[in-house]
Amino acid sequence: DTGVSQDPRHKITKRGQNVTFRCDPISEHNRLYWYRQTLGQGPEFLTYFQNEAQLEKSRLLSDRFSAERPKGSFSTLEIQRTEQGDSAMYLCASSPPRDGGGINEKLFFGSGTQLSVL
Amino acid sequence: LAKTTQPISMDSYEGQEVNITCSHNNIATNDYITWYQQFPSQGPRFIIQGYKTKVTNEVASLFIPADRKSSTLSLPRVSLSDTAVYYCLVVADSNYQLIWGAGTKLIIKP
Repeated sequence: DTGVSQDPRHKITKRGQNVTFRCDPISEHNRLYWYRQTLGQGPEFLTYFQNEAQLEKSRLLSDRFSAERPKGSFSTLEIQRTEQGDSAMYLCASSPPRDGGGINEKLFFGSGTQLSVL
Repeated sequence: LAKTTQPISMDSYEGQEVNITCSHNNIATNDYITWYQQFPSQGPRFIIQGYKTKVTNEVASLFIPADRKSSTLSLPRVSLSDTAVYYCLVVADSNYQLIWGAGTKLIIKP
């Protein structure tokens, strides 16, 4: 299967600890997104990469959150000094390069990392 | 950013056609309408995208009236496995921050 892969699937941590999640997008996709989702809500945008460049970051995103995408391949999302409010599903999505015509923003999502902060 | 409004939940029965309507009154000229499906503990999955009139694929149909202020996702002959949350999004070329509402929770009964 060459879909979007996220690791780990589940993470339980204590408040104040740092956690890091990894996302491996579909290989030919140059665009990568991170979202956060809590129960009963739709995904909330966190940040966006085009190749290795982080082009957008949600203004709601605390400075405890940082994301990287070295070499424009896999990406990591780190949360420092976790808080109970950080408990959520963290979703990664990727999409292929624009085809030059109209919009074709079709995102391919991974299965997410479920974070529980105790 | 165009906001969408859709019903919080819907029920139907196996074998029925299900129509989920989404309202997007302030849709812009360059915006496309996209629908995703999400099962529990999984990421959303793209279903269909359209700009105007009707789009059909192997999974669903999307109907968009001329004023484009609403759209209807049509699922033919649903089965129990179509029980999921369905999200309607308006996608702008210049905007990467897709705005997701709470979606429509569709429950299919036997």
